[in-house]
Amino acid sequence: AQSVTQLGSHVSVSEGALVLLRCNYSSSVPPYLFWYVQYPNQGLQLLLKYTTGATLVKGINGFEAEFKKSETSFHLTKPSAHMSDAAEYFCAVSDLRLTFGTGTRLTIIP
Amino acid sequence: EAGVAQSPRYKIIEKRQSVAFWCNPISGHATLYWYQQILGQGPKLLIQFQNNGVVDDSQLPKDRFSAERLKGVDSTLKIQPAKLEDSAVYLCASNHLAGSDTQYFGPGTRLTVL
Repeated sequence: AQSVTQLGSHVSVSEGALVLLRCNYSSSVPPYLFWYVQYPNQGLQLLLKYTTGATLVKGINGFEAEFKKSETSFHLTKPSAHMSDAAEYFCAVSDLRLTFGTGTRLTIIP
Repeated sequence: EAGVAQSPRYKIIEKRQSVAFWCNPISGHATLYWYQQILGQGPKLLIQFQNNGVVDDSQLPKDRFSAERLKGVDSTLKIQPAKLEDSAVYLCASNHLAGSDTQYFGPGTRLTVL
């Protein structure tokens, strides 16, 4: 069975600092990997996804993630945090069913 | 392109009452999903439809939850009778194909059971 572990339920960074949100997965088949963002009282919006090919994936709003098979990781990064990045971030893995992690709440400190 | 529509956005009921949620997916999307998101957790799949057929309902509490997608377009999720632990946000999503295809989510229905 596939699963996702997100390390750190809450992460705080200063505005302009590096954002790093950690995600590790387990899957019995080559995975499809996703990062979604959820703003308060809204549904989930796709940030980026990895299916095949290039292991460094670029998404919206300046985010990117790198698929590392040897480490079973898919960490999300952004070089410079902005106040508008404050939200809940979910990592997910899919074969035919999308399985989400428990989420990381990102707070930006002015 | 219109997104996934859900109604109502908020619902408050007493335990043991019944409630229904409605979802209209993105036009042309064959696959429709219902998720339950309990506060502080990630969404959990309840049921997946491919057109009007059920593909996966292994995590649906069938003694109280039911869902249908009669014409392969919009869908209804029902809870009867509701329990306190059913308080959650119910998210609907859709896409063309399961697997690598991106799922597009609606805004959700926040259910509070008192």
